[in-house]
Amino acid sequence: AQTVTQSQPEMSVQEAETVTLSCTYDTSESDYYLFWYKQPPSRQMILVIRQEAYKQQNATENRFSVNFQKAAKSFSLKISDSQLGDAAMYFCAYRSPSYDKVIFGPGTSLSVIP
Amino acid sequence: ETGVTQTPRHLVMGMTNKKSLKCEQHLGHNAMYWYKQSAKKPLELMFVYNFKEQTENNSVPSRFSPECPNSSHLFLHLHTLQPEDSALYLCASSLSGLISYEQYFGPGTRLTVT
Repeated sequence: AQTVTQSQPEMSVQEAETVTLSCTYDTSESDYYLFWYKQPPSRQMILVIRQEAYKQQNATENRFSVNFQKAAKSFSLKISDSQLGDAAMYFCAYRSPSYDKVIFGPGTSLSVIP
Repeated sequence: ETGVTQTPRHLVMGMTNKKSLKCEQHLGHNAMYWYKQSAKKPLELMFVYNFKEQTENNSVPSRFSPECPNSSHLFLHLHTLQPEDSALYLCASSLSGLISYEQYFGPGTRLTVT
């Protein structure tokens, strides 16, 4: 069975600085999708960025980028120029294309210090 | 309304009550999900429906009873709950199959069992 691990329960970053959130996963599949979701306090969970496993190029969305290492089964999220609005829980998630189940990691709580 | 909506947003119920949570998606998706989010625990998948058919029941106790009358609506019927069932219940939807894989989440229902 697939598993997703986020080894950093809490992290903090100074405003305007860069922070990297870690995620590792375990799977025997060769094709899958990885996601980072953001859940601000008392607000809706939203998708931050997505990576297809067959793509070697790392996904980028504005200030958010990933470092996808397929052989190492690692999928870290880098947030550049951190803003106060980035403070949230961040969840790493894995999805197989063969079924509709998404597996979430335990989450990392990110604080942004003004 | 757009996106995924959930009602009620907050619910307090006694252990002998019967209540229902409602989820509605306006995105044209065909897969819908119930998740339980408890403090300090990973997001727990409860049920998955694909084209109104239940495709996943993650060993959820029978005091939780899902219903999916069509691809746009999902209910979670609750009866004789326990205090440990207090949590945030999230609904999500997505497209199924080889089209798109990210999930769109509702704001959640904060359930307190007294």
